[in-house]
Amino acid sequence: NAGVTQTPKFQVLKTGQSMTLQCAQDMNHEYMSWYRQDPGMGLRLIHYSVGAGITDQGEVPNGYNVSRSTTEDFPLRLLSAAPSQTSVYFCASSYIGQNTDTQYFGPGTRLTVL
Amino acid sequence: GQQVMQIPQYQHVQEGEDFTTYCNSSTTLSNIQWYKQRPGGHPVFLIQLVKSGEVKKQKRLTFQFGEAKKNSSLHITATQTTDVGTYFCAGHAGNMLTFGGGTRLMVKP
Repeated sequence: NAGVTQTPKFQVLKTGQSMTLQCAQDMNHEYMSWYRQDPGMGLRLIHYSVGAGITDQGEVPNGYNVSRSTTEDFPLRLLSAAPSQTSVYFCASSYIGQNTDTQYFGPGTRLTVL
Repeated sequence: GQQVMQIPQYQHVQEGEDFTTYCNSSTTLSNIQWYKQRPGGHPVFLIQLVKSGEVKKQKRLTFQFGEAKKNSSLHITATQTTDVGTYFCAGHAGNMLTFGGGTRLMVKP
Protein backbone atom coordinates (compact mmCIF):
# COMPACT_ATOMS: atom_id res chain seq x y z
CA ASN A 1 0.00 0.00 0.00
CA ALA A 2 1.94 3.04 -1.27
CA GLY A 3 -0.62 5.61 -0.09
CA VAL A 4 -0.41 8.88 -2.03
CA THR A 5 2.49 9.24 -4.45
CA GLN A 6 3.58 12.36 -6.29
CA THR A 7 6.05 12.87 -9.11
CA PRO A 8 8.36 14.59 -9.66
CA LYS A 9 9.77 15.57 -6.24
CA PHE A 10 11.55 18.61 -7.64
CA GLN A 11 11.08 20.57 -10.87
CA VAL A 12 12.54 23.73 -12.34
CA LEU A 13 10.67 25.40 -15.20
CA LYS A 14 11.17 28.47 -17.30
CA THR A 15 8.40 31.04 -17.56
CA GLY A 16 5.87 29.98 -20.18
CA GLN A 17 6.63 26.27 -20.06
CA SER A 18 3.89 23.78 -19.33
CA MET A 19 4.06 20.64 -17.25
CA THR A 20 1.97 18.07 -15.42
CA LEU A 21 2.37 17.13 -11.78
CA GLN A 22 1.33 13.56 -11.20
CA CYS A 23 -0.62 12.25 -8.21
CA ALA A 24 -1.82 8.72 -7.58
CA GLN A 25 -3.42 6.91 -4.63
CA ASP A 26 -4.08 3.23 -4.07
CA MET A 27 -6.60 3.50 -1.24
CA ASN A 28 -9.72 3.73 -3.44
CA HIS A 29 -10.46 7.21 -2.10
CA GLU A 30 -13.23 9.14 -3.80
CA TYR A 31 -11.92 12.58 -2.83
CA MET A 32 -8.66 13.99 -4.21
CA SER A 33 -7.31 17.50 -4.06
CA TRP A 34 -4.35 19.71 -4.85
CA TYR A 35 -2.91 22.33 -2.51
CA ARG A 36 -0.10 24.78 -2.84
CA GLN A 37 1.96 25.85 0.13
CA ASP A 38 3.81 29.14 0.20
CA PRO A 39 5.80 30.45 3.19
CA GLY A 40 3.45 31.96 5.75
CA MET A 41 0.37 31.21 3.63
CA GLY A 42 -0.59 27.78 4.84
CA LEU A 43 -2.21 25.38 2.39
CA ARG A 44 -4.44 26.79 -0.31
CA LEU A 45 -6.81 24.59 -2.25
CA ILE A 46 -6.32 24.68 -6.03
CA HIS A 47 -8.74 22.06 -7.37
CA TYR A 48 -10.54 19.06 -5.97
CA SER A 49 -12.49 16.06 -7.17
CA VAL A 50 -15.21 13.98 -5.50
CA GLY A 51 -14.94 11.13 -7.97
CA ALA A 52 -13.89 10.10 -11.45
CA GLY A 53 -15.16 12.55 -14.03
CA ILE A 54 -15.97 15.25 -11.45
CA THR A 55 -13.72 18.19 -10.65
CA ASP A 56 -14.25 21.58 -9.09
CA GLN A 57 -12.29 24.74 -8.36
CA GLY A 58 -10.82 25.61 -5.01
CA GLU A 59 -9.53 28.94 -3.71
CA VAL A 60 -6.74 29.54 -6.24
CA PRO A 61 -7.54 27.69 -9.51
CA ASN A 62 -6.23 30.21 -12.06
CA GLY A 63 -3.37 28.90 -14.19
CA TYR A 64 -4.06 25.25 -13.34
CA ASN A 65 -6.13 22.51 -14.94
CA VAL A 66 -7.12 19.10 -13.58
CA SER A 67 -8.89 16.01 -14.81
CA ARG A 68 -9.98 12.81 -13.07
CA SER A 69 -10.38 9.99 -15.56
CA THR A 70 -9.79 7.26 -12.96
CA THR A 71 -10.29 6.95 -9.21
CA GLU A 72 -6.55 6.52 -8.69
CA ASP A 73 -5.06 9.45 -10.62
CA PHE A 74 -5.48 13.21 -10.34
CA PRO A 75 -2.88 15.10 -12.43
CA LEU A 76 -2.39 18.86 -12.12
CA ARG A 77 -1.44 20.75 -15.26
CA LEU A 78 0.31 24.08 -15.36
CA LEU A 79 -0.61 25.61 -18.70
CA SER A 80 1.99 28.40 -18.92
CA ALA A 81 4.21 28.55 -15.85
CA ALA A 82 4.76 31.88 -14.10
CA PRO A 83 7.19 32.80 -11.27
CA SER A 84 4.15 33.28 -9.00
CA GLN A 85 3.56 29.53 -9.26
CA THR A 86 6.83 28.77 -7.50
CA SER A 87 5.62 26.77 -4.52
CA VAL A 88 5.39 23.37 -2.91
CA TYR A 89 2.45 21.39 -4.26
CA PHE A 90 0.71 18.72 -2.21
CA CYS A 91 -1.81 16.20 -3.42
CA ALA A 92 -4.19 14.68 -0.88
CA SER A 93 -6.90 12.04 -0.89
CA SER A 94 -9.63 10.79 1.43
CA TYR A 95 -12.91 8.97 1.65
CA ILE A 96 -16.02 11.13 1.63
CA GLY A 97 -18.01 11.18 4.82
CA GLN A 98 -18.08 13.15 8.03
CA ASN A 99 -16.12 10.61 10.06
CA THR A 100 -13.95 9.15 7.31
CA ASP A 101 -12.55 12.18 5.50
CA THR A 102 -9.05 12.21 6.99
CA GLN A 103 -6.75 13.68 4.36
CA TYR A 104 -3.71 11.62 3.35
CA PHE A 105 -1.03 13.81 1.82
CA GLY A 106 1.62 12.92 -0.69
CA PRO A 107 5.27 13.93 -0.12
CA GLY A 108 4.96 17.06 -2.25
CA THR A 109 6.51 18.51 -5.41
CA ARG A 110 8.83 21.50 -5.05
CA LEU A 111 8.41 23.65 -8.14
CA THR A 112 10.57 26.61 -9.09
CA VAL A 113 9.64 28.81 -12.04
CA LEU A 114 12.41 31.03 -13.32
CA GLY B 1 -15.91 32.27 0.77
CA GLN B 2 -14.99 30.41 3.90
CA GLN B 3 -11.97 31.71 5.81
CA VAL B 4 -10.05 29.92 8.54
CA MET B 5 -7.70 31.99 10.66
CA GLN B 6 -5.08 30.67 13.04
CA ILE B 7 -3.13 32.45 15.75
CA PRO B 8 -0.37 32.85 16.60
CA GLN B 9 1.61 32.49 13.39
CA TYR B 10 4.78 31.60 15.32
CA GLN B 11 5.50 30.50 18.87
CA HIS B 12 8.86 29.98 20.56
CA VAL B 13 8.74 28.07 23.85
CA GLN B 14 11.24 26.61 26.26
CA GLU B 15 11.05 22.85 26.50
CA GLY B 16 8.58 21.97 29.23
CA GLU B 17 6.37 25.02 28.69
CA ASP B 18 2.81 24.73 27.45
CA PHE B 19 1.65 25.80 23.98
CA THR B 20 -1.76 26.70 22.54
CA THR B 21 -2.87 27.51 19.01
CA TYR B 22 -6.30 28.90 18.16
CA CYS B 23 -8.40 28.45 15.04
CA ASN B 24 -11.40 30.55 13.98
CA SER B 25 -13.70 30.07 11.01
CA SER B 26 -15.87 32.66 9.32
CA THR B 27 -18.58 30.01 8.84
CA THR B 28 -20.02 27.15 10.87
CA LEU B 29 -18.09 23.95 10.25
CA SER B 30 -19.36 20.40 9.93
CA ASN B 31 -16.11 19.19 11.46
CA ILE B 32 -12.60 20.39 12.17
CA GLN B 33 -9.37 18.53 11.62
CA TRP B 34 -5.87 19.13 12.94
CA TYR B 35 -2.65 18.29 11.14
CA LYS B 36 1.04 18.48 12.00
CA GLN B 37 3.76 19.17 9.46
CA ARG B 38 7.37 18.57 10.41
CA PRO B 39 9.99 20.80 8.70
CA GLY B 40 10.48 19.58 5.13
CA GLY B 41 7.63 17.09 5.44
CA HIS B 42 4.01 16.84 4.51
CA PRO B 43 0.93 17.41 6.72
CA VAL B 44 -0.04 14.41 8.82
CA PHE B 45 -3.50 14.00 10.32
CA LEU B 46 -3.74 14.27 14.10
CA ILE B 47 -7.42 14.30 15.00
CA GLN B 48 -10.93 15.22 13.92
CA LEU B 49 -13.64 16.87 16.03
CA VAL B 50 -17.27 16.66 14.96
CA LYS B 51 -19.55 17.53 17.87
CA SER B 52 -20.23 20.96 19.33
CA GLY B 53 -18.16 21.43 22.51
CA GLU B 54 -16.18 18.25 21.89
CA VAL B 55 -12.88 17.74 23.72
CA LYS B 56 -10.39 15.04 22.77
CA LYS B 57 -7.00 14.16 24.22
CA GLN B 58 -3.98 12.46 22.74
CA LYS B 59 -1.33 12.08 25.44
CA ARG B 60 -0.09 15.66 26.01
CA LEU B 61 -2.33 17.16 23.28
CA THR B 62 -5.83 18.45 24.03
CA PHE B 63 -8.18 19.49 21.24
CA GLN B 64 -11.40 21.46 21.67
CA PHE B 65 -14.23 22.32 19.29
CA GLY B 66 -16.29 25.36 20.17
CA GLU B 67 -19.97 25.29 21.05
CA ALA B 68 -20.87 27.24 17.91
CA LYS B 69 -18.62 24.98 15.77
CA LYS B 70 -16.71 28.01 14.48
CA ASN B 71 -13.58 27.81 16.58
CA SER B 72 -11.13 25.26 17.90
CA SER B 73 -7.93 25.04 19.88
CA LEU B 74 -4.97 22.72 20.31
CA HIS B 75 -3.10 22.75 23.61
CA ILE B 76 0.18 20.93 24.22
CA THR B 77 1.22 20.38 27.81
CA ALA B 78 4.93 20.34 28.68
CA THR B 79 6.31 20.67 25.16
CA GLN B 80 9.14 18.47 23.98
CA THR B 81 11.60 18.99 21.13
CA THR B 82 9.70 16.35 19.16
CA ASP B 83 6.68 18.70 19.09
CA VAL B 84 8.51 21.05 16.71
CA GLY B 85 6.60 21.69 13.49
CA THR B 86 3.66 23.59 12.06
CA TYR B 87 0.17 22.80 13.32
CA PHE B 88 -2.74 23.38 10.96
CA CYS B 89 -6.46 23.33 11.56
CA ALA B 90 -8.75 22.61 8.64
CA GLY B 91 -12.49 23.08 8.42
CA HIS B 92 -15.04 21.46 6.20
CA ALA B 93 -17.86 23.43 4.65
CA GLY B 94 -19.53 21.36 1.97
CA ASN B 95 -16.94 19.55 -0.16
CA MET B 96 -14.18 22.08 0.42
CA LEU B 97 -11.60 21.67 3.15
CA THR B 98 -10.05 25.02 4.05
CA PHE B 99 -6.80 25.15 6.01
CA GLY B 100 -5.76 27.80 8.45
CA GLY B 101 -2.41 29.51 7.95
CA GLY B 102 -0.78 27.30 10.58
CA THR B 103 1.15 27.95 13.78
CA ARG B 104 4.83 27.19 13.66
CA LEU B 105 6.07 25.86 16.99
CA MET B 106 9.73 26.10 17.89
CA VAL B 107 10.99 24.47 21.09
CA LYS B 108 14.27 25.40 22.77
CA PRO B 109 15.89 22.49 24.60
